[in-house]
Amino acid sequence: QTVVTQEPSFSVSPGGTVTLTCGLTSGSVSSNYYPSWYQQTPGQAPRTLIYNTNIRSSGVPDRFSGSILGNRAALTITGAQSDDESDYYCLLSMTTDIRVFGGGTKLTVL
Amino acid sequence: QVQLVQFGGGLVQPGGSLRLSCVASGFRFNKYGMHWVRQAPGKGLEWVAYIRPDAKNQHYADTVKGRFIISRDNSKNALSLQMNSLRSEDTAVYYCATDESWSFEFWGQGTLVTVSS
Repeated sequence: QTVVTQEPSFSVSPGGTVTLTCGLTSGSVSSNYYPSWYQQTPGQAPRTLIYNTNIRSSGVPDRFSGSILGNRAALTITGAQSDDESDYYCLLSMTTDIRVFGGGTKLTVL
Repeated sequence: QVQLVQFGGGLVQPGGSLRLSCVASGFRFNKYGMHWVRQAPGKGLEWVAYIRPDAKNQHYADTVKGRFIISRDNSKNALSLQMNSLRSEDTAVYYCATDESWSFEFWGQGTLVTVSS
């Protein structure tokens, strides 16, 4: 069974740039999987950041961007801020009706 | 504005049943597919189920297939998740969410389901 993979953890300095990625244990991620990205802080519902590879959801700052890098989907945060410290999840659409989350990346800003 | 308000949840014994509801407002509910997503304590997000706008197709994660039933009543702007044969590993916060462009656009506030004796 194909699994969606993410880095378990990542660290970035305030003001720095970080790229989180989302891959598959078998095969490559392309825009055909319509990758999306979600931010979640403890005790809160997830917040949608990016959908359809690179479209920012309403109200999301432009320092968050999505792309395909090689065979993986990517979320880049430019100019990281302390309140970006969160868990980040990618989601892939395996079919029109089936979705699969990655395991999530815990981002530390320090 | 868009609102998804969830009801239900609570403590249930293993093997028991529980029904979750999600009432939508602020958008044309009958035009959107709807999902259920869950998060076990200290764990990541897991997609659970999806139902199309016209309710004619439902899809489930393998972990809940045959035990959970997603349904909707477009006349009441309501989404439901009937959970049967519950197991301890079903303990989680459950979220309803709208489907937009193959992603989740709006989320409910979440409701905790605890399966324990």
